Amino acid sequence: GEDVEQSLFLSVREGDSSVINCTYTDSSSTYLYWYKQEPGAGLQLLTYIFSNMDMKQDQRLTVLLNKKDKHLSLRIADTQTGDSAIYFCAESIGDTASKLTFGTGTRLQVTL
Amino acid sequence: EPEVTQTPSHQVTQMGQEVILRCVPISNHLYFYWYRQILGQKVEFLVSFYNNEISEKSEIFDDQFSVERPDGSNFTLKIRSTKLEDSAMYFCASRRGQPQHFGDGTRLSIL
Repeated sequence: GEDVEQSLFLSVREGDSSVINCTYTDSSSTYLYWYKQEPGAGLQLLTYIFSNMDMKQDQRLTVLLNKKDKHLSLRIADTQTGDSAIYFCAESIGDTASKLTFGTGTRLQVTL
Repeated sequence: EPEVTQTPSHQVTQMGQEVILRCVPISNHLYFYWYRQILGQKVEFLVSFYNNEISEKSEIFDDQFSVERPDGSNFTLKIRSTKLEDSAMYFCASRRGQPQHFGDGTRLSIL
C-alpha cells in the first residue's frame, strides 16, 4: 500500500537554504507534490513533478526526485520567515480519479 | 485565477446531528475529492467522485458519509449522525488534469 514519510521538524536561519525530504513506498507513483499549510489555513500547492522527471525548478523552489530510492526533496533557496509553515509531500498513483496520499508533514521554522 | 470554494469555513454541530459541507469546484473540472485532517495530523483521503459516481473511497468513508453533486456546480459531503471523532478540517479538491486544487477547508467541530 502507499506510505509517505517525512521528518517532523526542520529549523533553518533566514537566508539559508532549506531541504525538506520525503520518502514513499509505492514505485508506481505518477505524480509527486509539495503543499504548504500555514497555521489554520488550507493547502497551497507549491509545485509538483511527474515521475519521469528528475528535477524541477520554479523560482526559489527546486524539487529533486530519485525514483530508484523513492526519495523526493524540496529545496527552498534564501528561506524567509514567511516560509515558516508545514510542508506536505503527496503522491498520486495512476491517472484516473487518482487520490493523493499525503506524508506526515514537516514543520519548517525559520529563525532570524 | 479560479478557486475551489468551501462553505461554511467553520461548522459547530451537536453530536448525532447531520451536517452538510459544501464545495464549489472549479467550473471545468471533472474529478472531485474530499479529504479530512484531524488537528495535528496528516491529510487523509475520504472519497473521489467522477462521472456522477464514487470512484474510490477509504475505510473512513463508512455508511455515515455520502457525497452528492446535485447540480452542475456544487459538490457536497454529508455526515448523517456526527460523532466526536468527526471533528476535523474537511478539504474539497478538484482537478481536470493535474494537479488537484484544494479549497480552504471547513473546520467541523462536534460538541
